[in-house]
Amino acid sequence: SQQGEEDPQALSIQEGENATMNCSYKTSINNLQWYRQNSGRGLVHLILIRSNEREKHSGRLRVTLDTSKKSSSLLITASRAADTASYFCATDVPGAGGTSYGKLTFGQGTILTVHP
Amino acid sequence: ETGVTQTPRHLVMGMTNKKSLKCEQHLGHNAMYWYKQSAKKPLELMFVYNFKEQTENNSVPSRFSPECPNSSHLFLHLHTLQPEDSALYLCASSQDARTVGYEQYFGPGTRLTVT
Repeated sequence: SQQGEEDPQALSIQEGENATMNCSYKTSINNLQWYRQNSGRGLVHLILIRSNEREKHSGRLRVTLDTSKKSSSLLITASRAADTASYFCATDVPGAGGTSYGKLTFGQGTILTVHP
Repeated sequence: ETGVTQTPRHLVMGMTNKKSLKCEQHLGHNAMYWYKQSAKKPLELMFVYNFKEQTENNSVPSRFSPECPNSSHLFLHLHTLQPEDSALYLCASSQDARTVGYEQYFGPGTRLTVT
């Protein structure tokens, strides 16, 4: 299996409900980032959480990080149809000297569908 | 708009053709990246350039040749591709690849089809 794995692979909810996506990884990290991708387009950065942080908020997004379990979750509250997209976690794994030299490792993503 | 543009957006090429993908960033960043996104596979990092110097080649076949003439422009030259190279090619940039904690900004991608 891979460094970053999202769960579930697909999630279908109604507008107004909350959506939770999980990410597990295998090795120590500098930080973990979440990205969104609308169908066939580029990725958009959502939030970055550092290894010494446990929780971070940005608008309707809440990200948690548990380094002991090597897992992270992304919660989208009060979802909207416009939130329909694929969501990816990406891990920044330290290499020589502590930096990854920009090498993020992405998971396969969670496809979120929000029905109006 | 993320400040990263890619051209062309769509490209169909035969296996014997030579074509180039272009990426330009207007964010003042110093690091640029090429990724490949194939169906049902995670995003794969191909190349990293930092301050115009290549710092990563993720075992990419030589039929893909990157070029970074300055920190704002990145090219991917393609020749004698295979059908399995059909994918979405994404360019990204960040402030500095050596420094931990910078997010990456992605372009909209080039959808490449090799016939």
